Amino acid sequence: DIQMTQSPSSLSASVGDRVTISCQASQDISNYLIWYQQKPGKAPKLLIYDASTLETGVPSRFSGSGSGTDFTFTISSLQPEDVATYFCQQYDNLVTFGGGTKVEIK
Amino acid sequence: EEQLVESGGGLVQPGGSLRLSCADSGFTFSYYGMNWVRQAPGKGLEWVSYISTTSTTIYYADSVRGRFTISRDNAKNSLYLQMNSLRAEDTAVYYCARDRGTKVRGVLFDYWGQGTLVTVSS
Repeated sequence: DIQMTQSPSSLSASVGDRVTISCQASQDISNYLIWYQQKPGKAPKLLIYDASTLETGVPSRFSGSGSGTDFTFTISSLQPEDVATYFCQQYDNLVTFGGGTKVEIK
Repeated sequence: EEQLVESGGGLVQPGGSLRLSCADSGFTFSYYGMNWVRQAPGKGLEWVSYISTTSTTIYYADSVRGRFTISRDNAKNSLYLQMNSLRAEDTAVYYCARDRGTKVRGVLFDYWGQGTLVTVSS
C-alpha cells in the first residue's frame, strides 16, 4: 500500500503570508496527487489534481507542484477564508490520504 | 450540477448493521464510478469503497472488507453501503463521493455529499 506523509500537521500564519504544505509518498506516484480543502463541518473540496492542475473556479493563489514522491501545496497570499484543513491524496493506485494540515490565522 | 445527499446514519450497537444511501439529483449518475469515504470525529479522511458504473468492479479498504458491501441502482440514481458487524472504530461521518474517472484503478473525488454520521456505541 502507498503511504502519504503530510507536514506540518498544523500551522498558523498571518493574512497575506505565503503558506507551504508538503506531502511525501512512500513510492513513486508520478503526478497522481490531489489537494483538497475542508472547512469545519463541510465536505472536502477539490482544489488541485495531477499535482499542479487547478480545478475550475479555484482562486489562483492556490498552487501545487512536484512529481514522483515529493509534492508541495502553496497558498501565495493567505486569506481569512482559507482557514481550513488541507489534505493530499494519491490516486496512482486506488486511494490514500495524507493526515491533513490545519491552517489557521495568526 | 451534481448534488449528492446521504441518509441512513444513526446510532447502532456494536455488532449491529446499518444501510447508508446516497441519492444523486443530477442526471449523470450512471456515467461515473462512486465511492464511500469516511471521517472519524476530529480525524482525517479514509476511503472505504469504490464501485464502477456497471457494478462490475468493486474495491474495499482492508478495514471494512468482508463486513461492508457497496452497491448501486442506476435506475434510481442511488448508491448504497450495507454495513454489518459494526465496531466502535467505524464511528464516522460517511460521505459519498463521485469519481471523475480519469484514471484506471485510481480515484479522483470531484463531487461530495454533505455526509451522514454513523455512531457505533452501546
